[in-house]
Amino acid sequence: DAKTTQPNSMESNEEEPVHLPCNHSTISGTDYIHWYRQLPSQGPEYVIHGLTSNVNNRMASLAIAEDRKSSTLILHRATLRDAAVYYCILRDVNQGGKLIFGQGTELSVKP
Amino acid sequence: DTGVSQDPRHKITKRGQNVTFRCDPISEHNRLYWYRQTLGQGPEFLTYFQNEAQLEKSRLLSDRFSAERPKGSFSTLEIQRTEQGDSAMYLCASSEMSDYTEAFFGQGTRLTVV
Repeated sequence: DAKTTQPNSMESNEEEPVHLPCNHSTISGTDYIHWYRQLPSQGPEYVIHGLTSNVNNRMASLAIAEDRKSSTLILHRATLRDAAVYYCILRDVNQGGKLIFGQGTELSVKP
Repeated sequence: DTGVSQDPRHKITKRGQNVTFRCDPISEHNRLYWYRQTLGQGPEFLTYFQNEAQLEKSRLLSDRFSAERPKGSFSTLEIQRTEQGDSAMYLCASSEMSDYTEAFFGQGTRLTVV
């Protein structure tokens, strides 16, 4: 299973942008880069995903390096409700689409 | 459709008892996944179904664990002869057949074995 590496924790101030990095040097051509987040006592929640091009949605933006060995999740204006564990996951289309979670990055947001 | 639902939300059982959890996926989602999560760790993959077929089981899924998805709709996860180490959050997720879409998770079932 392809692995990702994320910092254990990050801090941000409310209403400031947050850049959450992820390294995935062993990514294969069929892996999609997915981001999920998990609030305390809840199931993971989908944030965004992409293959090669940068992606934007109402929650966040995903910037993917040209060689696809790293990516960055961008929260444009952090709110207190964005405090969660963020997981960067490679979803292999040849492996039944299962998601293999790592440790994730625990994001705290200060008012 | 209100999303993936899991029942019960919490379960306390004595060691050695059997427990069964239920997951109702989003309708029309062909794929269904089970995960286990312990405190401070990311979810660990257990098994997944495509329609009614169980296509993969993790090494984490010991002989005491069994999962079914009759008729490709809801799924059950049974743990026999529970042990204290089985205490965890059990998460269910579903997705469409396409790998280009996201998976949706339920709120999980919190199991405590005493």
